[in-house]
Amino acid sequence: KNEVEQSPQNLTAQEGEFITINCSYSVGISALHWLQQHPGGGIVSLFMLSSGKKKHGRLIATINIQEKHSSLHITASHPRDSAVYICAARFNTDKLIFGTGTRLQVFP
Amino acid sequence: GAGVSQTPSNKVTEKGKYVELRCDPISGHTALYWYRQSLGQGPEFLIYFQGTGAADDSGLPNDRFFAVRPEGSVSTLKIQRTERGDSAVYLCASSANNEQFFGPGTRLTVL
Repeated sequence: KNEVEQSPQNLTAQEGEFITINCSYSVGISALHWLQQHPGGGIVSLFMLSSGKKKHGRLIATINIQEKHSSLHITASHPRDSAVYICAARFNTDKLIFGTGTRLQVFP
Repeated sequence: GAGVSQTPSNKVTEKGKYVELRCDPISGHTALYWYRQSLGQGPEFLIYFQGTGAADDSGLPNDRFFAVRPEGSVSTLKIQRTERGDSAVYLCASSANNEQFFGPGTRLTVL
């Protein structure tokens, strides 16, 4: 069965802290997506990766294919980073299977 | 340029009624996806179109749910005999180069 698990479910941090959100999946994938969802807002795609590492501003996403694991890192976190972060895996079809999300709150 | 749009943004209906939810994808995107997100959960796949045809409808929960995309652009998700358990945010996404662009969603509330 194609499954995606995220941890932690909830995360609180002080402004400036380094944040890591983890995602693991059950079988081989063709790509993994990291998405951001603000309360009452739509979903924004942050990264799509199939190997290695990608960086955009203060956000870094890594994936380890052998371990079936991906991480999203936020450096120098800021209250505006507060949102739900969702990982989603593309298995052998075009549809995405989503994790349940990690609710991040960054306090000033 | 315009992103994915969905209408209505909110829909309140009564149990047993019929509803239609509309998705306007990004122009030129041939792939279109419908997802459903319940409170506190990640989105769940419903159906995927490639052009006018449904390439994968394995996520539709039962035969009360149906979706069309007659001209390969706008898509409509149709729900018959709505139930309270259908209450959720219905998300649409269109895709290019395997990257999905999401609409703002339609929040459906069945009373």
